[in-house]
Amino acid sequence: QVQLVQSGAEVEKPGASVKVSCKTSGYTFTDFYIHWVRQAPGQGLEWMGLSRPDTDSTGYAQNFRGRVTMTRDTSTTTVYMELRSLRSEDTAVYYCVREKRGGTFDYWGQGTLVTVSS
Amino acid sequence: QTVVTQEPSLTVSPGGTVTLTCASNTGAVTSGYSPNWFQLKPGQAPRALIYSTSNKHSWTPARFSGSLLGGKAALTLSGVQPEDEAEYYCLLYYGGAWVFGGGTKLTVL
Repeated sequence: QVQLVQSGAEVEKPGASVKVSCKTSGYTFTDFYIHWVRQAPGQGLEWMGLSRPDTDSTGYAQNFRGRVTMTRDTSTTTVYMELRSLRSEDTAVYYCVREKRGGTFDYWGQGTLVTVSS
Repeated sequence: QTVVTQEPSLTVSPGGTVTLTCASNTGAVTSGYSPNWFQLKPGQAPRALIYSTSNKHSWTPARFSGSLLGGKAALTLSGVQPEDEAEYYCLLYYGGAWVFGGGTKLTVL
């Protein structure tokens, strides 16, 4: 069965970086894109960007360009999202979600809470 | 800046019907925006309900349906159940980038 399993909660100081992983299984890794979405406390969902494992290319939302990097490891079928220069407003639950090329979003990871606090 | 607008909140009675909409400030929403709909409950990961405007996943209850209505994407719940109380988000495609709507909090009362 399809699974997206994310790494555990993180606490970071302002200005630091965080790297969240999304381990996938149960399907052909390169047949689907992986997106990252976050939800800050009391806020809505926000699209951050995507990783295309087949071409090792990425696309980022304008709000995060220059501060986020998404990478993938085909040997472990894992996608990573690194966010740098953290500020308190980056405190949120971060999710990975799978997309079948053509705009079909289906399976989500369980979410990773990232807390930015001094 | 691209803005996707949803009703902030709606209330529906059990067994009733309610339609949630998703509008774009760039103009009418069409199938080219690949509308997706998600349900979000507190403490849970989002759940995908609808893709490509009107297609359901294998786990999507039959009472949920998606469409285009008056230049917007729409999600209709027919025969609402108490467990449908949740937040609902639409997601639209803008040629390389995706944008979520602000979400609709649906209360079943």
